Amino acid sequence: EADIYQTPRYLVIGTGKKITLECSQTMGHDKMYWYQQDPGMELHLIHYSYGVNSTEKGDLSSESTVSRIRTEHFPLTLESARPSHTSQYLCASSGRIYGYTFGSGTRLTVV
Amino acid sequence: AQRVTQPEKLLSVFKGAPVELKCNYSYSGSPELFWYVQYSRQRLQLLLRHISRESIKGFTADLNKGETSFHLKKPFAQEEDSAMYYCALKGGGNAGNMLTFGGGTRLMVKP
Repeated sequence: EADIYQTPRYLVIGTGKKITLECSQTMGHDKMYWYQQDPGMELHLIHYSYGVNSTEKGDLSSESTVSRIRTEHFPLTLESARPSHTSQYLCASSGRIYGYTFGSGTRLTVV
Repeated sequence: AQRVTQPEKLLSVFKGAPVELKCNYSYSGSPELFWYVQYSRQRLQLLLRHISRESIKGFTADLNKGETSFHLKKPFAQEEDSAMYYCALKGGGNAGNMLTFGGGTRLMVKP
């Protein structure tokens, strides 16, 4: 079934660790996005990509980095996690027509 | 620059009461507007879009270009409508189909 998948669903990790949040979509969408969302709060765009080898920073400054080597895959990496990175991270993709499809999110806790 | 404002962080109504979630936007071109909903423990999903002029789960939203508004309405709220609601604007030009989200409104429907 065509969808967008995020792993892990939950992650608790110690300060200073390197982490990668995975996002993959099987819908053939060119555009993909990462949002940061504290529970019940605003969505802040942190990264987006319009296609392979295209990545841009979003409205909210983030210490994370992203890559887009394959159309379907858009991982987000934090080289050294800190408690201030504790949040929910949502991945989304969109095609030519309209609207976004969101993943289930990764809830990250840095202790 | 495009901007979406949802003036209410929290809206609490009783079951069976009418509900209106407010959304105002600023955009110089011809906007496309959407409402997204996030139920507890579920992913963010598209509720409706203005161009289709549809009613989903009893909700409707009318684009008022004069007032630059896209309020979401339902005549009789149900408990299962309790969720976070986000208004979103799709801009054109260089923004492509990038969505700008409002801050969200939490709707609580009390029994």
